[in-house]
Amino acid sequence: SAVISQKPSRDICQRGTSLTIQCQVDSQVTMMFWYRQQPGQSLTLIATANQGSEATYESGFVIDKFPISRPNLTFSTLTVSNMSPEDSSIYLCSVLQGNNQPQHFGDGTRLSIL
Amino acid sequence: KQEVTQIPAALSVPEGENLVLNCSFTDSAIYNLQWFRQDPGKGLTSLLLIQSSQREQTSGRLNASLDKSSGRSTLYIAASQPGDSATYLCAVRRQTGGFKTIFGAGTRLFVKA
Repeated sequence: SAVISQKPSRDICQRGTSLTIQCQVDSQVTMMFWYRQQPGQSLTLIATANQGSEATYESGFVIDKFPISRPNLTFSTLTVSNMSPEDSSIYLCSVLQGNNQPQHFGDGTRLSIL
Repeated sequence: KQEVTQIPAALSVPEGENLVLNCSFTDSAIYNLQWFRQDPGKGLTSLLLIQSSQREQTSGRLNASLDKSSGRSTLYIAASQPGDSATYLCAVRRQTGGFKTIFGAGTRLFVKA
């Protein structure tokens, strides 16, 4: 299975600032996703990162707040912009090689906003 | 709209006990179902993937079953150990709408030594 490296693993940020999270995969993957997991809750899909084009965002998430890049088939970034305490969550990168394959996750980025 | 429910929300058992975690989903038009484990503050680790045409999958002490027509899956853990303590999440991949994965809220398991 793909090995997914996510950085940083955690950060504490001031409100109003932005943070970029990186996701590196050790092999080319078809699909990459970004999820948010708020404290005590399950996973919510933010967007599907599309290689070479704009990400596909889920309802309630917008590009201005969560810009995503995917320059190639092994790397993606998620930026959390103009952060507020409500953005305190674990952000998870996930990959899928094909629809009949298991979905795999990075270790996540635990983000706290003061 | 696909909804995934996991029961119980939390479970505490003594070491060595066999246990069953339940997952139900409302729309049977699924591509597959996957069980994950999540340790505190960590990402998700894939445990088992069951395709829609399959009835069960086994890996070591874990056995997952799927009854697509009734919208149910179970994860059976044999001879539980303290190291099994974690949150277990069930997720279904829809056949339509971009093959999105819908997650349950998870079952938090604590195995007492």
